[in-house]
Amino acid sequence: TQLLEQSPQFLSIQEGENLTVYCNSSSVFSSLQWYRQEPGEGPVLLVTVVTGGEVKKLKRLTFQFGDARKDSSLHITAAQPGDTGLYLCAGGKLSFGAGTTVTVRA
Amino acid sequence: NAGVMQNPRHLVRRRGQEARLRCSPMKGHSHVYWYRQLPEEGLKFMVYLQKENIIDESGMPKERFSAEFPKEGPSILRIQQVVRGDSAAYFCASSPRERGEQYFGPGTRLTVT
Repeated sequence: TQLLEQSPQFLSIQEGENLTVYCNSSSVFSSLQWYRQEPGEGPVLLVTVVTGGEVKKLKRLTFQFGDARKDSSLHITAAQPGDTGLYLCAGGKLSFGAGTTVTVRA
Repeated sequence: NAGVMQNPRHLVRRRGQEARLRCSPMKGHSHVYWYRQLPEEGLKFMVYLQKENIIDESGMPKERFSAEFPKEGPSILRIQQVVRGDSAAYFCASSPRERGEQYFGPGTRLTVT
């Protein structure tokens, strides 16, 4: 089983601040996905990264895939209350991290 | 193009009853995955099916749980003789190809009383 570890587990910040969440593994992944899940809903796919060193931007969200394709990070600039949710990374054979719960206070 | 649909959204069962959860994948998707999620936890893989075939059921409990994805109709996750520990949110996802990006349904929240 390819294990994905996410950190931190919880993150609470003020509106306008920046934040970074991490997804790490000892295994190499051919691709990795990031999802956001809001309470009472299913996860929504944000991005897929496939190339080592790849950086993808989605408005205020920046996703990076490590050079060795073992880790990834998600950086949010000027966070807004609408960014609140559970951020999950997923990769390989049906492996999901436990997620980072992000709370952005107005 | 409708997304992944799951029903019911909420299901209450007494201990010992059966629970049937349905999932209709996105149009054109023949790969279906079922996950279980407990409060404030990530998704735990249960089973992966492709039309009429179970591809990987390594995450499925050996007893009381079964899944199918018939040629016609939705995928069904069936839990027999439910116990309180089965209470959780069950999510279905579909993808157009093996190991493709997964698109999730809204989930079914099962409560066992």
